[in-house]
Amino acid sequence: ETGVTQTPRHLVMGMTNKKSLKCEQHLGHNAMYWYKQSAKKPLELMFVYNFKEQTENNSVPSRFSPECPNSSHLFLHLHTLQPEDSALYLCASSHASGQGLPRAFFGQGTRLTVV
Amino acid sequence: QKEVEQDPGPLSVPEGAIVSLNCTYSNSAFQYFMWYRQYSRKGPELLMYTYSSGNKEDGRFTAQVDKSSKYISLFIRDSQPSDSATYLCAMSATRGSGNTGKLIFGQGTTLQVKP
Repeated sequence: ETGVTQTPRHLVMGMTNKKSLKCEQHLGHNAMYWYKQSAKKPLELMFVYNFKEQTENNSVPSRFSPECPNSSHLFLHLHTLQPEDSALYLCASSHASGQGLPRAFFGQGTRLTVV
Repeated sequence: QKEVEQDPGPLSVPEGAIVSLNCTYSNSAFQYFMWYRQYSRKGPELLMYTYSSGNKEDGRFTAQVDKSSKYISLFIRDSQPSDSATYLCAMSATRGSGNTGKLIFGQGTTLQVKP
């Protein structure tokens, strides 16, 4: 266990559905991240939160909506997704930016399939 | 041009072989260089890291950074079937006295070590 828990592990949703991914970390970190991992492509950073404030939005379409109510929890709300959004969505946490090695601890990911 | 380039493989070697994994990068601001290992159906986990240039050794693993060539390597000695995984290089720039917290990943190289 890495201390970062993601739920659900697998999700199948239709293009008109609304669903949410959840991430929780028990490491005392102040930064949380959403990454997208598609086959044959590098991990793509989607969003960064430092001390609950969004500090990075990597040109992500508005059908992905993040929420960070506190430093331990991160959500990714999904609506009207496209089949090409099918991927492994990884949550990570670390000490906040500017505090030494940017060591990220990852959850096991949510395997999302959009049908 | 991608900021980080990594040959996706797959790379297949016999047990006991020396494995060499490499990444090149284009951003001279990168100062933190990391290698993550990702087993099937798991999130990436940090394997080794190096700050700036030089070598670092940890058991059977050696990480090397050549900033003049913008080239990093991970060597695995006496490879074992349990080393079979995807290896991702990751890099981060510094800003001021700290770091940006933003990791840029390579595509990952899939390694299979055959008994």
